[in-house]
Amino acid sequence: GQNIDQPTEMTATEGAIVQINCTYQTSGFNGLFWYQQHAGEAPTFLSYNVLDGLEEKGRFSSFLSRSKGYSYLLLKELQMKDSASYLCAVRDGNDYKLSFGAGTTVTVRA
Amino acid sequence: NAGVMQNPRHLVRRRGQEARLRCSPMKGHSHVYWYRQLPEEGLKFMVYLQKENIIDESGMPKERFSAEFPKEGPSILRIQQVVRGDSAAYFCASSPPGSEPITEAFFGQGTRLTVV
Repeated sequence: GQNIDQPTEMTATEGAIVQINCTYQTSGFNGLFWYQQHAGEAPTFLSYNVLDGLEEKGRFSSFLSRSKGYSYLLLKELQMKDSASYLCAVRDGNDYKLSFGAGTTVTVRA
Repeated sequence: NAGVMQNPRHLVRRRGQEARLRCSPMKGHSHVYWYRQLPEEGLKFMVYLQKENIIDESGMPKERFSAEFPKEGPSILRIQQVVRGDSAAYFCASSPPGSEPITEAFFGQGTRLTVV
């Protein structure tokens, strides 16, 4: 089975940094994804990691450690528009099926 | 280039009625995936389809649920004799053809089904 854990909620101040952790226990591993989802909207792709290390893309970075079953998404220079749910998803041995965590709701305060 | 289009955005059905959810993939995409998101839960994989073929329906409930992706037209997720527990957001995603593992799936805005 698949078990993907991430915190339920996080709050941070505008301009600050927030790190969202994700741990996973899956029957196979073929990549980890982060998505952003605003309330009532579609999940939008943020990042993809398949090898260990840090992937940086503008204000967002994602890190993966396969041996620890651990990833984090780092959001820098937070803006009000970053208030959303952030979804961690793992692709197992199949090429297409994603298993999602329940999501972390990030609230950015002025 | 329009994204993944789902309709309707909101659907209200009475218990026992049928719900039909439609998904038009992005232009050039031939792979469609359906996911269900229950309140306070993550998205759960339901089914993966290619044109005229169901590739993997391991996440579909055994009864009342069916999906198709005909040669022409959108993919349809059909729920017969809906019950209150079917109330959820149903998301469709699509990806282009090819044998490489997808590195990105594009999601539609979802259909929010409410069963009253």
